[in-house]
Amino acid sequence: EAGVAQSPRYKIIEKRQSVAFWCNPISGHATLYWYQQILGQGPKLLIQFQNNGVVDDSQLPKDRFSAERLKGVDSTLKIQPAKLEDSAVYLCASSQGLAESDTQYFGPGTRLTVL
Amino acid sequence: AQSVTQLDSHVSVSEGTPVLLRCNYSSSYSPSLFWYVQHPNKGLQLLLKYTSAATLVKGINGFEAEFKKSETSFHLTKPSAHMSDAAEYFCVVSWGGGNKLTFGTGTQLKVEL
Repeated sequence: EAGVAQSPRYKIIEKRQSVAFWCNPISGHATLYWYQQILGQGPKLLIQFQNNGVVDDSQLPKDRFSAERLKGVDSTLKIQPAKLEDSAVYLCASSQGLAESDTQYFGPGTRLTVL
Repeated sequence: AQSVTQLDSHVSVSEGTPVLLRCNYSSSYSPSLFWYVQHPNKGLQLLLKYTSAATLVKGINGFEAEFKKSETSFHLTKPSAHMSDAAEYFCVVSWGGGNKLTFGTGTQLKVEL
């Protein structure tokens, strides 16, 4: 079974530029998550989708971050404009559903450096 | 609010000796608790999970954890460390339904020869 795919793996940009990350979840998984992991911290949930609808985006800084999952499969996370404090690893995860018994499977992450 | 506290940011053990990674949780009701492992340049992987069934939970690679409500703890143990266990370990709580995870700050495990 193929895992969660993310691209790019690494990205370096200047502050105030824009950047986009892509995630392809495990086939058949209805729920998709984006997390932000700042160096030395645990991952923090940014947004959660169920199919193509947003379940929870309460932790997403909506003035600069946006995410979509238009067809209920792939998802993109965008930052515009980027700030220095956005330097982090962005993790995508997917699960079969919203039950706590549904294991979340994580991709390898995209490491973003903002200069 | 639900949270977890990992009591050690770094733990160092010798190969073949026991591993103990400590985690306390704060929850107003019976939580679901997890341990995830993160190897360098690899995705997070689920080691084990507690979802209100047996309090002693066995996971992959010989790890296990015991849910102790009276101590609000969910410590991770392994009888004998292997070099391949060197990684970062996260204690995680799920709260409020909807499968939303709150991660601890992580414990870096170092295994020495």
